[in-house]
Amino acid sequence: DIQMTQSPSSLSASVGDRVTITCRASQGIRDALGWYQHKPGKAPKRLIYTASSLQSGVPSRFSGSGSGTEFTLTISSLQPEDFATYYCLQHNSHPFTFGPGTKVDIK
Amino acid sequence: EVQLVESGGGLVQPGGSLRLSCAASGFAFGPYPMAWVRQAPGKGLEWVSTISGDSNYIYYADSLKGRFTISRDNAKNSLYLQMDSLRAEDTAVYYCARGGTALGLDVWGQGTTVTVSS
Repeated sequence: DIQMTQSPSSLSASVGDRVTITCRASQGIRDALGWYQHKPGKAPKRLIYTASSLQSGVPSRFSGSGSGTEFTLTISSLQPEDFATYYCLQHNSHPFTFGPGTKVDIK
Repeated sequence: EVQLVESGGGLVQPGGSLRLSCAASGFAFGPYPMAWVRQAPGKGLEWVSTISGDSNYIYYADSLKGRFTISRDNAKNSLYLQMDSLRAEDTAVYYCARGGTALGLDVWGQGTTVTVSS
């Protein structure tokens, strides 16, 4: 099975900050990776698909990069509505695996 | 509007059974693989199972050890998860999601809560 690690596990940031979250796969997964934003009581929302493609309707301050085993989600200028938990998901092969999550809260 | 709506959650005793449903609307359900994902209290997201559009390919998380069964009825635009021999550690919010290996999970429902407790 492919293991996903994610760092940091949490971070505190201010509105306007640039935020970077990293996800690493235990083996190569090409670009079969998505990034999700999850708020309590809500459905997870996909932000990025195939590692670097912006989901329709998602603000352009979100971007993704990477391929193979190392991936990055960047929020260029953090907004109040971005405080949430972020997960990566590898869908290269079953079993699908999520990263453990990164909680972004207000500094 | 593409929409997934889960139902069937509730309180069940350990060892009991529950069947979750997911009603899909706003898209052609048949061709899409579908999945179940869960989140236990205070934990992260955990993939549970995937079923192909034609039901010929089915995958489960190893941790389920044969207790859960995924199925679908394309005529009813519905996805199901039969959960047997439930344990306290199965307590979670269960989400259905559209997608599979090709493009990942793009659309999610709001979730239904399952609580396993005596």
